[in-house]
Amino acid sequence: NAGVMQNPRHLVRRRGQEARLRCSPMKGHSHVYWYRQLPEEGLKFMVYLQKENIIDESGMPKERFSAEFPKEGPSILRIQQVVRGDSAAYFCASSRPDNEQFFGPGTRLTVL
Amino acid sequence: GESVGLHLPTLSVQEGDNSIINCAYSNSASDYFIWYKQESGKGPQFIIDIRSNMDKRQGQRVTVLLNKTVKHLSLQIAATQPGDSAVYFCAERAGGYQKVTFGIGTKLQVIP
Repeated sequence: NAGVMQNPRHLVRRRGQEARLRCSPMKGHSHVYWYRQLPEEGLKFMVYLQKENIIDESGMPKERFSAEFPKEGPSILRIQQVVRGDSAAYFCASSRPDNEQFFGPGTRLTVL
Repeated sequence: GESVGLHLPTLSVQEGDNSIINCAYSNSASDYFIWYKQESGKGPQFIIDIRSNMDKRQGQRVTVLLNKTVKHLSLQIAATQPGDSAVYFCAERAGGYQKVTFGIGTKLQVIP
């Protein structure tokens, strides 16, 4: 049973470009979460999604960031017009309802 | 509370000794707590969890203690091994709601 998959593992973008991060949850998991982690810091919650629904986006910046979890396919975290401050590791987790979250290996975004 | 970019606290222990990692939480409504281990370059890995109706739970070489009176959580690792070197995060969840809030983290260094 494959774990949570994230791709790409490393992503380099220039300022102003768009970044798309993908997350495929574990089989049977209908809940997806995105977190951001800066070096030497903890994980900061960004957004919680179920299939086709955003449940809680209280941790998402108001501009440039969006997330989706379509009926078919992976969850996507999209960052438009990236800035240097967006450089971080972005982790996705998935779970069954009311169960522990399993994390993917993360995508390390570097903005030049 | 939110991390403000401080360096992670570090705990250094001799191989074979027991380790105790502490965590304070602030939300008195939190009823589910999790410890995660994060190795360099990887996503957080679930170690052990505990619900608020318990004060102690044991796993393989790990024990979690919960003191709700002072809102304190600890992780004890018996006979610490070099492979235990990682950053350890406590996390909390309230009222069955899926959003998990992470603490700052503690870096465990095992001295051979």
